[in-house]
Amino acid sequence: KQEVTQIPAALSVPEGENLVLNCSFTDSAIYNLQWFRQDPGKGLTSLLLIQSSQREQTSGRLNASLDKSSGRSTLYIAASQPGDSATYLCAVKGDYKLSFGAGTTVTVRA
Amino acid sequence: EAGVVQSPRYKIIEKKQPVAFWCNPISGHNTLYWYLQNLGQGPELLIRYENEEAVDDSQLPKDRFSAERLKGVDSTLKIQPAELGDSAVYLCASSLSGDNEQFFGPGTRLTVL
Repeated sequence: KQEVTQIPAALSVPEGENLVLNCSFTDSAIYNLQWFRQDPGKGLTSLLLIQSSQREQTSGRLNASLDKSSGRSTLYIAASQPGDSATYLCAVKGDYKLSFGAGTTVTVRA
Repeated sequence: EAGVVQSPRYKIIEKKQPVAFWCNPISGHNTLYWYLQNLGQGPELLIRYENEEAVDDSQLPKDRFSAERLKGVDSTLKIQPAELGDSAVYLCASSLSGDNEQFFGPGTRLTVL
């Protein structure tokens, strides 16, 4: 069974600091990895999707890397803003099923 | 393009009562998923549909949970009877097919008293 772990569980940073969120998974046989954002009381918004053959994906201030062999992904958010405060979840896909981590709750202080 | 629609957004019921959640996926998406998200945890898959067929319901507690996707479009998830431990957020997602990116709805927050 795929196990996905996200560390740290919570993170508080001052505005402008870069964010580094970590995700690890136990089974490297994945099709892709997705990073999601979840605001309180809301659903999940997809941020980045990295195919298993890719090493990284970038969208604006967000950059996600994937090291499939070591079972790790990192989400970087540059120059954080208070609007980046949310819970960030990573999910790995194998056999049509997404396996999620518990998320990292980020607070960006103004 | 409209996203995944779910209703109701919130539901409060007494234990042992029945409850139903409705999901309308993105138009043209053949695959539909129901997830359960407990507080402080990531979502866990309950059931996956390919068109009207439930192709993975291994995590669905079949003694009290049931789901249907008539005509391969909208879907309903039902709990009967509800228990205190069923309090959670129920998320619906859809994708073009099982290989494609999943898009999530806003979820239904269920509170069982």
